[in-house]
Amino acid sequence: DAGVIQSPRHEVTEMGQEVTLRCKPISGHNSLFWYRQTMMRGLELLIYFNNNVPIDDSGMPEDRFSAKMPNASFSTLKIQPSEPRDSAVYFCASSADREIQYFGAGTRLSVL
Amino acid sequence: AQRVTQPEKLLSVFKGAPVELKCNYSYSGSPELFWYVQYSRQRLQLLLRHISRESIKGFTADLNKGETSFHLKKPFAQEEDSAMYYCALAPPGGSYIPTFGRGTSLIVHP
Repeated sequence: DAGVIQSPRHEVTEMGQEVTLRCKPISGHNSLFWYRQTMMRGLELLIYFNNNVPIDDSGMPEDRFSAKMPNASFSTLKIQPSEPRDSAVYFCASSADREIQYFGAGTRLSVL
Repeated sequence: AQRVTQPEKLLSVFKGAPVELKCNYSYSGSPELFWYVQYSRQRLQLLLRHISRESIKGFTADLNKGETSFHLKKPFAQEEDSAMYYCALAPPGGSYIPTFGRGTSLIVHP
């Protein structure tokens, strides 16, 4: 397995634009997590899916952020409209029940 | 509420020196504790977990319930240990959602 796959690896956009980050979890994993990593706040959990259903989205900062998991092999994190303070590295991770998380390589987002 | 505190944002040592990355947690119960590592330009990966009681790449971590700590230690640091280290806590039972500390950047100088 190629592991958790995220795309794009880098995204540069202008303030106000819509940004969509994509994640393909490891096949067979039933939990998927979106994290945001910044120097100031470290690694923050944004949202967690189990069996494609959002379980905990309390970490989603604002209504500008939304996440979907239409099937077991794909998830998106969307920011609309984007703002400079959204600049960060966004990680996706997946896991099987009660097992450790496997992280993707991350998407480095820069909002100008 | 569960919380993980890594008091040092940056730890700088010379090669061969001992290393201790501090992690304190707040949780009423017996959580699972982990250390994750992120090497430059690589993805975050599990380094070790307390229930395994193993040594990985020379690193060990002992869970001290009295002090609610899970410090990561290595007797002789190597340059390749330079990385970002995250301590994480997961509650026992139920859903498996770790809480991460803010991370400590370890720099090992030659």
